[in-house]
Amino acid sequence: DGGITQSPKYLFRKEGQNVTLSCEQNLNHDAMYWYRQDPGQGLRLIYYSQIVNDFQKGDIAEGYSVSREKKESFPLTVTSAQKNPTAFYLCASVGSAETQYFGPGTRLLVL
Amino acid sequence: AQSVTQPDIHITVSEGASLELRCNYSYGATPYLFWYVQSPGQGLQLLLKYFSGDTLVQGIKGFEAEFKRSQSSFNLRKPSVHWSDAAEYFCAVNTGGFKTIFGAGTRLFVKA
Repeated sequence: DGGITQSPKYLFRKEGQNVTLSCEQNLNHDAMYWYRQDPGQGLRLIYYSQIVNDFQKGDIAEGYSVSREKKESFPLTVTSAQKNPTAFYLCASVGSAETQYFGPGTRLLVL
Repeated sequence: AQSVTQPDIHITVSEGASLELRCNYSYGATPYLFWYVQSPGQGLQLLLKYFSGDTLVQGIKGFEAEFKRSQSSFNLRKPSVHWSDAAEYFCAVNTGGFKTIFGAGTRLFVKA
């Protein structure tokens, strides 16, 4: 079955800690995206990557970092510089005609 | 700048009643248009999409949407709502580049 997986489902961060969210896809898509979702808001773009070894900042990149060493994987690190990290994080890959396919999400909570 | 507006933050309908969720966009040409659904704590699932051609598009779970160029709208409809349709619905627009813009969402409540 093709799809996108995200892990963990829940993640707890202590103050000053960096944490990494995993996103893997086996859809053979070149482009992958990270979004942040807060209650009552739409999706806000954090980072995107259109090809391996290349990525670009989205609208709210401050306090986050990414890497794209493999086509299948696009991990997101929430750094200690992100002062309000509590949110639901969604990863997506992009197929034909800009259609996005989403993972199940990771909820990040601060201890 | 392109934008997507979903005027209704939440809507309540009775089970078996018809549903229409509104979506308006701001863009000079015809964009790619999408509707996604999100159940609580889950990712987004594509319901349907419009690129060109017939302005009435059919999607999964009995949903359809109509593109109206003159009104810059792409409203989602369902003739008879089921309790399992309770979720949040997002309209999205892509103008052919890297960025898809999502509306703020409409939460649908279904009452028995």
